[in-house]
Amino acid sequence: DQQVKQNSPSLSVQEGRISILNCDYTNSMFDYFLWYKKYPAEGPTFLISISSIKDKNEDGRFTVFLNKSAKHLSLHIVPSQPGDSAVYFCAASAVQGAQKLVFGQGTRLTINP
Amino acid sequence: GAGVSQSPSNKVTEKGKDVELRCDPISGHTALYWYRQSLGQGLEFLIYFQGNSAPDKSGLPSDRFSAERTGGSVSTLTIQRTQQEDSAVYLCASSATSAYNEQFFGPGTRLTVL
Repeated sequence: DQQVKQNSPSLSVQEGRISILNCDYTNSMFDYFLWYKKYPAEGPTFLISISSIKDKNEDGRFTVFLNKSAKHLSLHIVPSQPGDSAVYFCAASAVQGAQKLVFGQGTRLTINP
Repeated sequence: GAGVSQSPSNKVTEKGKDVELRCDPISGHTALYWYRQSLGQGLEFLIYFQGNSAPDKSGLPSDRFSAERTGGSVSTLTIQRTQQEDSAVYLCASSATSAYNEQFFGPGTRLTVL
């Protein structure tokens, strides 16, 4: 069973526009959510996180929104830049679960000039 | 270096052989994790260490997989009698001990079993 789902395998956005990546989860025990960015042949790089006591967290061009009732989170990147082209993974953890991360399948974001 | 390092970066082996993958976490990080990413899939949790003990081994796919951590630092993931379905990128991550801390990943070891 896939507890964290990213239903869009790919997304293409024009440079300067907003990129919105979505993620859904099923386990109500999850209380900490993270987004990672991954380039080919490299490990994932942490981008931004949010705990379940918040509904929004912002860091520069990156904003994560959490809708607990819908079990949905999204990552907004604005403005999108060519260097943002990568695979983005949503991940979730539960304090009870020893912090292990449960990942979605990833969304490949391509920023077009 | 300051980041998580893993070796080797690539490993090609024949079916039935044993392999050892190494991870050096960030200095001072007491929590260490192993994940793997199979082709076209997300990252799958394998095992978690707190210090030298492994309170969560729930992700190890079979008894052919084992891991240890010594001195609260370096960890080794061992796969015995490798099978073709073991082919994947094996990623190690470390984090500070407290909750709600992001995990920092190494570059991974790409394992190919022929």
